[in-house]
Amino acid sequence: EIVMTQSPATLSVSPGERATLSCRASQSVSSNLAWYQQKCGQAPRLLIYGASTRATGIPARFSGSGSGTEFTLTISSLQSEDFAVYYCQQYNNWPPWTFGQGTKVEIK
Amino acid sequence: EVQLVESGGGLVQPGGSLRLSCAASGFTFSSYWMSWVRQAPGKGLEWVANIKQDGSEKYYVDSVKGRFTISRDKSKNSLYLQMNSLRAEDTAVYYCARCRAVATIFGYYYYMDVWGKGTTVTVSS
Repeated sequence: EIVMTQSPATLSVSPGERATLSCRASQSVSSNLAWYQQKCGQAPRLLIYGASTRATGIPARFSGSGSGTEFTLTISSLQSEDFAVYYCQQYNNWPPWTFGQGTKVEIK
Repeated sequence: EVQLVESGGGLVQPGGSLRLSCAASGFTFSSYWMSWVRQAPGKGLEWVANIKQDGSEKYYVDSVKGRFTISRDKSKNSLYLQMNSLRAEDTAVYYCARCRAVATIFGYYYYMDVWGKGTTVTVSS
C-alpha cells in the first residue's frame, strides 16, 4: 500500500498571500496524483488531476506540480473562499486508492 | 447537471446492518466506475470500495472486506453499499463518487471527479 504524507498539517496564510502545500508518496505514483478541496461540512471537490491539470471550473490561481514521489499544490493568491482542508490522493497503485491526511489552510 | 445523491444513513447498533444508496443523474452511469469513500468524525478521507461499470470487478479496503458489499443497478442509475456486522469504527460520513478513467499503455487509472454530499452512518449502542 502506498502511504501519502502531507505537510504541513496546518498552514496559516493571510488573504492575498501564496500558499504552498506538499504531498509525498512512499513510492513512485508517476503523475497519477489528484488534489481535493474540502470546506467545512461539505463534500470534497476535485481541484487537480494528473498532478498538474486543473479540473473543470477551477481557477487558475490553483496549480499542481511534481511527479514520482514529490508533489506540490500552490495557491498563488489566497481568496477567502480558499480556506479549507486539502487532500492529495494517489491512483497509480490500486487497490487501495490512498489519501494523505490533509492540510488545513487557515486565516493568519 | 451531474449529480450524486446518497441516502440510507442512520443510527445502527454494533453488529447491525445498513444499506446505502447513491442515485446518479446527468451522466451515463453505466459508463463509469464508481466509488464509496468515507470520513470518520474529525478525520481524513478513506477509500472504501470501487466497482467497475458492469459490476464484474469490485475492490475493498481491507478493514471492510467480508462485511461490506458494493453493487450497482444500471436500470435505476444507482450505486449501493450493503454494510453488515457494523462496528463503531465504521461511523463516518459516506460519500459516493464517480471515477474518471485515464487510459495509458500501462493500464487504466481512476480518480474521483464528482462527489455526492454524503450520508451519515453512526454505529452506537
